[in-house]
Amino acid sequence: AQSVTQPDIHITVSEGASLELRCNYSYGATPYLFWYVQSPGQGLQLLLKYFSGDTLVQGIKGFEAEFKRSQSSFNLRKPSVHWSDAAEYFCAVGGGSYIPTFGRGTSLIVHP
Amino acid sequence: GAGVSQSPSNKVTEKGKDVELRCDPISGHTALYWYRQSLGQGLEFLIYFQGNSAPDKSGLPSDRFSAERTGGSVSTLTIQRTQQEDSAVYLCASSIGLPPSEQFFGPGTRLTVL
Repeated sequence: AQSVTQPDIHITVSEGASLELRCNYSYGATPYLFWYVQSPGQGLQLLLKYFSGDTLVQGIKGFEAEFKRSQSSFNLRKPSVHWSDAAEYFCAVGGGSYIPTFGRGTSLIVHP
Repeated sequence: GAGVSQSPSNKVTEKGKDVELRCDPISGHTALYWYRQSLGQGLEFLIYFQGNSAPDKSGLPSDRFSAERTGGSVSTLTIQRTQQEDSAVYLCASSIGLPPSEQFFGPGTRLTVL
């Protein structure tokens, strides 16, 4: 079975500061990994995904994530956070023909 | 092009009533998913449709929940005899390929059961 852990329920950062959101997964083979963002009242939007190849993945809105197989992690990073980045962030893992499993989400709060 | 749409955006109902939630996926997307998002929780998978294949109903929490997809396009999620614990946001997503392809999500339907 596959699973995802997002250990931080809330993260608070100041605008302009760097950001790292943690994601740990459990999957028996090479996983497919996703980060989605959900703004208030909206559906989820894909930020980036990892299927294979380069373990550092670039996404939209200046986000990147790094797949570390040894740590079973896929942490999301951004060098400088903007107030508009305040949202809920979800990590998801899939593989084979399995339907992706989502983490509980991390709520990002941005202080001016 | 239009994204995934869902209706209604909000639904308030009384305990014991039946409700129907609608999802219009992106045209040409063969896969359609329903999820439930409760406050402070992640996305709980409910059901998955792929083309004309039998749906994967493994996530439906009880036999009060059912879904259909007509003509490989529009889907309706039905909850019978609603309970207060059914209150949540119900999200629909579609994708162009087999899982775990990128999913495109609708804005959701917020269901409140009084």
